[in-house]
Amino acid sequence: EVQLVESGGGLVQPGGSLRLSCAVSGLTVTTSHMSWVRQAPGKGLEWISVFHGNGNTYYADSVKGRFTISRDSSQNTVFLQMNSLRDEDTAVYYCVRMPTGYPNWFGPWGQGALVTVSS
Amino acid sequence: DIVMTQSPDSLAVSLGERTTFNCKSSQSVLHSSNNKNYIAWYQQRPGHPPKLLIYWASTRESGVPDRFSGGGSGTDFTLTISSLQPEDVAVYYCQQYYSTPTFGQGTKVEIK
Repeated sequence: EVQLVESGGGLVQPGGSLRLSCAVSGLTVTTSHMSWVRQAPGKGLEWISVFHGNGNTYYADSVKGRFTISRDSSQNTVFLQMNSLRDEDTAVYYCVRMPTGYPNWFGPWGQGALVTVSS
Repeated sequence: DIVMTQSPDSLAVSLGERTTFNCKSSQSVLHSSNNKNYIAWYQQRPGHPPKLLIYWASTRESGVPDRFSGGGSGTDFTLTISSLQPEDVAVYYCQQYYSTPTFGQGTKVEIK
């Protein structure tokens, strides 16, 4: 069974940084297509980044240049480094697999990590 | 980016009743190379992450009850619940993966 467990969320001031982690079990991150999707409070879903199995990375325009996705094969973990955070980055961040590449549907989903950007 | 628009925003349905809601894409998501529609549907119960229900517009994910069915082609798609159950109270999202993934705003389903 595939399990995705996010951590690293919290409260950060505008302009600050935060790194989210997604510990993965049941599949190998280096041969999978791992993504992050966020959901602002009471709002819909927004795809923000993917680390393709071939090593390519892709970003939504809203986070390009500020967020960086990476992976660590030894920990079987995916990371999202978030810099220059803005109020509008406040959201629950979900780690998700894209089963067959990019672009693709999403599943399974982690439980999510809440990031709050506020002064 | 392709804009996804769902309707209605919310609806109340009686238990056991059949219900259908809609998703429209701003451009066709039917790929000519494989004749497949690049549409997925998700269910998000209160306080939970989304759960994949359907991909390729009409293929049910493993374990999803057969009361859920997807249809449509091109730019217009539907998700139908044939007999609403209490556990179906949720927000339902459509998503296109023809290009940079985008989601609809969701349809909230409640019990009447």
